[in-house]
Amino acid sequence: AQSVTQLGSHVSVSEGALVLLRCNYSSSVPPYLFWYVQYPNQGLQLLLKYTTGATLVKGINGFEAEFKKSETSFHLTKPSAHMSDAAEYFCAVSDAGQAGTALIFGKGTTLSVSS
Amino acid sequence: EAGVAQSPRYKIIEKRQSVAFWCNPISGHATLYWYQQILGQGPKLLIQFQNNGVVDDSQLPKDRFSAERLKGVDSTLKIQPAKLEDSAVYLCASSSPAVGVTEAFFGQGTRLTVV
Repeated sequence: AQSVTQLGSHVSVSEGALVLLRCNYSSSVPPYLFWYVQYPNQGLQLLLKYTTGATLVKGINGFEAEFKKSETSFHLTKPSAHMSDAAEYFCAVSDAGQAGTALIFGKGTTLSVSS
Repeated sequence: EAGVAQSPRYKIIEKRQSVAFWCNPISGHATLYWYQQILGQGPKLLIQFQNNGVVDDSQLPKDRFSAERLKGVDSTLKIQPAKLEDSAVYLCASSSPAVGVTEAFFGQGTRLTVV
């Protein structure tokens, strides 16, 4: 069975500092990997995804993530945090072998950005 | 392109009452998901439809929850009778595996409070 572990339920950074949100997955088959962001009282918005090909994936709002198969990780980074990045971030995995397979989410990491 | 529409946005009911949520997916998306997001946790899949057929309802509490997707478009999720632990945000999402992308597009959700 697939699962996702997000290390750290809450991460606090200063504006301009590096953002690093950690995600490890467990999957018996090659997975698709996703990062979603959720702002208060909103649905989930896709930040980026890894399907195949280049392991460094760039997303919206300056975020990127690197798929490391040997470490079963897909950590999310951003070089310089903005106040507007404060939100809940979810890592998710799905079975690449079956199109349309439902996403399995981690518990989420709340990112706080201070001025 | 219009997004996933959900209604109502908020609902407060007493325990043992019934409630229904409505979802209209992105036009042309064959796959529709209902997720339950309890405060402080990641979304958990309740049921997945492919057109108007159920693909996965293994985590749906069938003694109280039911869902249908008439004509393979709109969907309704019902809870009867509601319990206190059903307080959560109910997210609807849709995807179109036919184009080789398994990312899901989410609606804004319905926040249910059971008192």
